[in-house]
Amino acid sequence: QKEVEQNSGPLSVPEGAIASLNCTYSDRGSQSFFWYRQYSGKSPELIMFIYSNGDKEDGRFTAQLNKASQYVSLLIRDSQPSDSATYLCAVNMFTRTGANNLFFGTGTRLTVIP
Amino acid sequence: DAGVTQSPTHLIKTRGQHVTLRCSPISGHKSVSWYQQVLGQGPQFIFQYYEKEERGRGNFPDRFSARQFPNYSSELNVNALLLGDSALYLCASSLDREVETQYFGPGTRLLVL
Repeated sequence: QKEVEQNSGPLSVPEGAIASLNCTYSDRGSQSFFWYRQYSGKSPELIMFIYSNGDKEDGRFTAQLNKASQYVSLLIRDSQPSDSATYLCAVNMFTRTGANNLFFGTGTRLTVIP
Repeated sequence: DAGVTQSPTHLIKTRGQHVTLRCSPISGHKSVSWYQQVLGQGPQFIFQYYEKEERGRGNFPDRFSARQFPNYSSELNVNALLLGDSALYLCASSLDREVETQYFGPGTRLLVL
């Protein structure tokens, strides 16, 4: 079982619609959950992170966390063509050597159609 | 303030060669982590260095090594390159060992022929 799983997509939504991205994780001990955006050929950039069950909103973005279901999601409201990118879900986990680092999913490719 | 910088931006090597990738963290950041991102996959953790000591290692062979210098910059070395080492190598720096303030550099794209 992969540590972090995402639907690879591609996911296409029309401009102005809500895009919903989903992620599940395997380690019940994980405490921090992250969403990154990665444009083609660029490095990941942090959108937001969430610690607690429930919703966290930042502008057009809302992260949702359900630790009991080991599920994280990202909603993008009023999607714009500039939101077209790959969205990476990441979870903090401790490696066998004790390092606290990020484990990433494979990413979901989002296309917003004008 | 300057962000995380990496050099070179692109690199082409042949199988069996050795490569050194460099990273300069954000000023004041003491931790550097390295990730490998193969095309179509998410980044995969390789190493974390904090205060010049290795603090964590991912599931990579001993051909991969790294170090951190007194100014907190870091090098990633890969020996005996394989075709499968072709990837985007990302460096991320953070204030200390936490990941919440981890910022990625632009990456070095390595192609092994």
